[in-house]
Amino acid sequence: DIQMTQSPSYLSASVGDRITLTCRTSQGIGSYLAWYQQKPGKVPKVLIYGASTLYSGVPSRFSGSGSGTDFTLTISSLQPEDFATYFCQKYDSVPPTFGQGTKVEIK
Amino acid sequence: QVQLRESGPGLVKPSQTLSLTCTFSGGSISSSGYYWSWIRQYPGGGLEWFAYVSYSGYTYYIPTLKGRLSTSMDTSKNTFSLELTSVTAADTAIYYCARYTCSRGSCHIDHWGQGTLVTVSS
Repeated sequence: DIQMTQSPSYLSASVGDRITLTCRTSQGIGSYLAWYQQKPGKVPKVLIYGASTLYSGVPSRFSGSGSGTDFTLTISSLQPEDFATYFCQKYDSVPPTFGQGTKVEIK
Repeated sequence: QVQLRESGPGLVKPSQTLSLTCTFSGGSISSSGYYWSWIRQYPGGGLEWFAYVSYSGYTYYIPTLKGRLSTSMDTSKNTFSLELTSVTAADTAIYYCARYTCSRGSCHIDHWGQGTLVTVSS
């Protein structure tokens, strides 16, 4: 099975910061990657799919890039509502595995 | 308005069977391009996608659960269900049903149920 590794596991940042989260896969998956945001007590919400396509209604401060084995999610200017846990998920083949998540906390 | 809602017991005894049903509203589970999925989230926060049934009735289970898991769909009721046998404490998690949408080669989960906490304990 393809292994997925997100880094860092925790990130402490301030409102207004630009942050970049990373997701690496043990084998190439093309651009078959999605990113989800989950706030405490809530269900995950899709932000990006196809590695870089912004889901409808997601603010433009979120962007995704990468292909193959290395992917990033960037938030250009962190807002108070962005403090959450972010998961990547591959879908090149079954099972559609999730990464372990990156928790973004307020500094 | 698209909605999914899980139903089933929140407490299951060890070695017994966990049964959950997801009711979909706002469309038909027979519509093409959708994969009706089961995902669980462990107490530590990790997410595990462990099963789906496609709009055409094809099923997929992760290998580690294959012998214990079965899923089905009832198009007349717009529901899909799972049964997980011989549960242990390791199966304690929040269980979500979700709609996995695939179009033009790209996929994502666009709708989730609210989740139901299932605790395995005597």
